[in-house]
Amino acid sequence: ETGVTQTPRHLVMGMTNKKSLKCEQHLGHNAMYWYKQSAKKPLELMFVYNFKEQTENNSVPSRFSPECPNSSHLFLHLHTLQPEDSALYLCASSQGTGTGGELFFGEGSRLTVL
Amino acid sequence: TQLLEQSPQFLSIQEGENLTVYCNSSSVFSSLQWYRQEPGEGPVLLVTVVTGGEVKKLKRLTFQFGDARKDSSLHITAAQPGDTGLYLCAGEDNNAGNMLTFGGGTRLMVKP
Repeated sequence: ETGVTQTPRHLVMGMTNKKSLKCEQHLGHNAMYWYKQSAKKPLELMFVYNFKEQTENNSVPSRFSPECPNSSHLFLHLHTLQPEDSALYLCASSQGTGTGGELFFGEGSRLTVL
Repeated sequence: TQLLEQSPQFLSIQEGENLTVYCNSSSVFSSLQWYRQEPGEGPVLLVTVVTGGEVKKLKRLTFQFGDARKDSSLHITAAQPGDTGLYLCAGEDNNAGNMLTFGGGTRLMVKP
């Protein structure tokens, strides 16, 4: 596989469920990101990891919990979500952070919270 | 956080027409990127512009960075159905650790 891979592509969950989104990059990049894409809103940066260390947390509610076990894998653990959390969650990677370099995105995980 | 406004938000045209989409801000960016996102896919980088007044061409797509590095435009000549997608601009924000700030996007539909 090449590029950035996200699973699952689609997820439907109730407000009391616990689920996780997974992202894997095969590009040898050091930085990984979670973005939220909602209708009629700009892409919202949620979390940034650089060399497995979290460097950005854009005031994201604690019901979203990221995990980065190594530079190639990134998870987003979901718990007690709200219907307004329904969105496309995009993972991205880049060579480094803070350089304005190209972001390589996965295809996204479409989340629906009932 | 610097804001990027894109216009128009939606555009539906016939194959063969020309179009221009805009990306504007009141703030200066050190560089600006344009991405295209097709349905069911993630955004893919088209171009990065760095110098004020810079013009870059990618086949039928022409990108321009404003002289003051506050705005950018994307012009498509003779649009084709394959150009359909969401066009996103993203500015490198010096006040946010050089992270990218995204605009709201222009959703383009090119009808055959």
